[in-house]
Amino acid sequence: QEQLVESGGGVVQPGKSLRLSCEASGFSFLSYTLQWVRQAPGKGLDWVGLISSDGSNEQYAASVKGRFTISRDNSKSTLYLEMNNLRRDDTAVYYCARGALWGQGTLVTVSS
Amino acid sequence: DIQLTQSPSFLSASLGDRVTITCRASQGISSYLAWFQQKPGKAPKLLIYAASTLQNGVSSRFSGSGSETEFTLTISSLQPGDVATYYCQQFNSFPHTFGQGTKLEIK
Repeated sequence: QEQLVESGGGVVQPGKSLRLSCEASGFSFLSYTLQWVRQAPGKGLDWVGLISSDGSNEQYAASVKGRFTISRDNSKSTLYLEMNNLRRDDTAVYYCARGALWGQGTLVTVSS
Repeated sequence: DIQLTQSPSFLSASLGDRVTITCRASQGISSYLAWFQQKPGKAPKLLIYAASTLQNGVSSRFSGSGSETEFTLTISSLQPGDVATYYCQQFNSFPHTFGQGTKLEIK
């Protein structure tokens, strides 16, 4: 069945980098725009950004622009979120999503 | 950026009640709005897209309406499984912002 599975979360120090992955299965990955959404502990949903189906167009929230990069490898059916210069307020569960299809999320904790 | 403001932020209602949540956009967004339900520890679940189209498999007790700047999500008869936080999201322009959420509980 259709599935998105995130990985790569963990504890990272402020100023460091981390790359999240989102592996897709059960559907034609290269046909869809995909987005990243995050949720800080106890807080609401926060849109991070998205990438078009062919990877030619990326859009970002102002809070992450210049620090985060979304990319995809359609040959591997995998979406990525490269996060640089991480801040404590980037601590959140990060979800990848395609419309109605969401992954289970991966927790990123930024702490010294 | 387009801001979405949900009201109320917290709602307590009785089983069987008709419940309405409002989402107001800071500028017109046509019908580019979706509603999500999120239960604790779970990923959001899409309920409604294009403001009023029910997602496949979602109970017909849920309905959406509105356009441009004012939208509503209605639950026709509140059930125990509807306890959750509800979010609207706009897709009219970037960034694709979310409302702050409405937490729904049973009275």
